[in-house]
Amino acid sequence: GDSVTQMEGPVTLSEEAFLTINCTYTATGYPSLFWYVQYPGEGLQLLLKATKADDKGSNKGFEATYRKETTSFHLEKGSVQVSDSAVYFCALLNTGGFKTIFGAGTRLFVKA
Amino acid sequence: SAVISQKPSRDICQRGTSLTIQCQVDSQVTMMFWYRQQPGQSLTLIATANQGSEATYESGFVIDKFPISRPNLTFSTLTVSNMSPEDSSIYLCSSRGSGGNEQFFGPGTRLTVL
Repeated sequence: GDSVTQMEGPVTLSEEAFLTINCTYTATGYPSLFWYVQYPGEGLQLLLKATKADDKGSNKGFEATYRKETTSFHLEKGSVQVSDSAVYFCALLNTGGFKTIFGAGTRLFVKA
Repeated sequence: SAVISQKPSRDICQRGTSLTIQCQVDSQVTMMFWYRQQPGQSLTLIATANQGSEATYESGFVIDKFPISRPNLTFSTLTVSNMSPEDSSIYLCSSRGSGGNEQFFGPGTRLTVL
């Protein structure tokens, strides 16, 4: 079945450091890929998405590129801020599917 | 996008009682989902609730324990029945509209069972 694997956390960075959170997936067909973010005490919210190969999703300085050849959707940000401290979830929704598959989540701590 | 509210935001309940969580969406949506999230963990899908049909439960979750209602396209409830301390968790409501593929989430209900 479809699955999402993301790097384990927590990830601890200093402010202005470069961020990469790895995400790989297994799926038949051509899924849409997502990154969701969950700030402390809140529900998840969509951070960015990509719906086909080579698409780049971007939002709030975060980027991720849909790489079909490596089945990956790594999240990157050039300069993190303390306010980026949160849990990040990689997810996929397969074509014709109704159930989004979520990764385990990666907790990010950014120190001032 | 959709804005989702949940009530209550948190509750502390006694073993053996039941709690009903309400989920309200500010627009009509096709699909609504209920998840459970243990602190520091990922989401576990409990069931999918589509208006006009019975909820579809995931493996390990049954209707007698987690009855769900979906009376219209903007509202759903999840009841946690005959609670035990193992039911202590965050319960999240989510929706997805017919035209999109991303999901929107409510803020969650933090349940503690004593």
